[in-house]
Amino acid sequence: DVQLVESGGGLVKPGGSLRLSCAASGFSFRDYTMTWVRQAAGKGLECVAYMSSTSSYINYADSVKGRFTISRDNAKKSLYLQMSSLRAEDTAVYYCARVTFYSDRSGWDEKMDSWGQGTLVTVSS
Amino acid sequence: DIQMTQSPSSLSASVGDRVTITCRASQNIVSYLNWYQQKPGKAPNVLIYGASNLQTGVPSRFSGSGSGTDFTLTISSLQPEDFATYYCQQSYSIPRTFGQGTKVEIK
Repeated sequence: DVQLVESGGGLVKPGGSLRLSCAASGFSFRDYTMTWVRQAAGKGLECVAYMSSTSSYINYADSVKGRFTISRDNAKKSLYLQMSSLRAEDTAVYYCARVTFYSDRSGWDEKMDSWGQGTLVTVSS
Repeated sequence: DIQMTQSPSSLSASVGDRVTITCRASQNIVSYLNWYQQKPGKAPNVLIYGASNLQTGVPSRFSGSGSGTDFTLTISSLQPEDFATYYCQQSYSIPRTFGQGTKVEIK
């Protein structure tokens, strides 16, 4: 079975740093694009970082650009999110998700078809 | 960024009801539209991809339609396990963006 397990969340002061990890199993991690999606309490979903399988394509939400860094270690089947200069508004549950590409009549499309259970990041003094 | 707007933000319905949720994109996204279901305290799960394709394992009472800027998620006969929050998400351009969610509650 596909499994994604996040870790590394916790309480951090404003301006601090935190590194999240996502351990993957049950699929060929090296072949998949991965993404980090966050959700503040009672709020919607925001895709904050996106990385292709070979790390050749990376994208960040404007809200975290310059502060967050996504990375991966395909040998360890792990995805990471290094977060720095944290702000109160970064408080959220952070999910890692697998992105699966598929072909259809229009060409290629994608879906986030497996998600971890999430890890809570709280930024507060 | 493409803005995704869902309506309504919440609805109350009874078991057996037909439920329709709409999602509008701020620009043409062809059929690059996914729907997710999220239950409290859980991660989202994909229901529909490519606007109208049912994800494996998802009950056939769920269906999706639309193209361009206007999309619909329909639950043909609401079941107790369907009370949840539903999100649309565009996969047309980066950054991927989600609608604000529609909470389906028990009447």
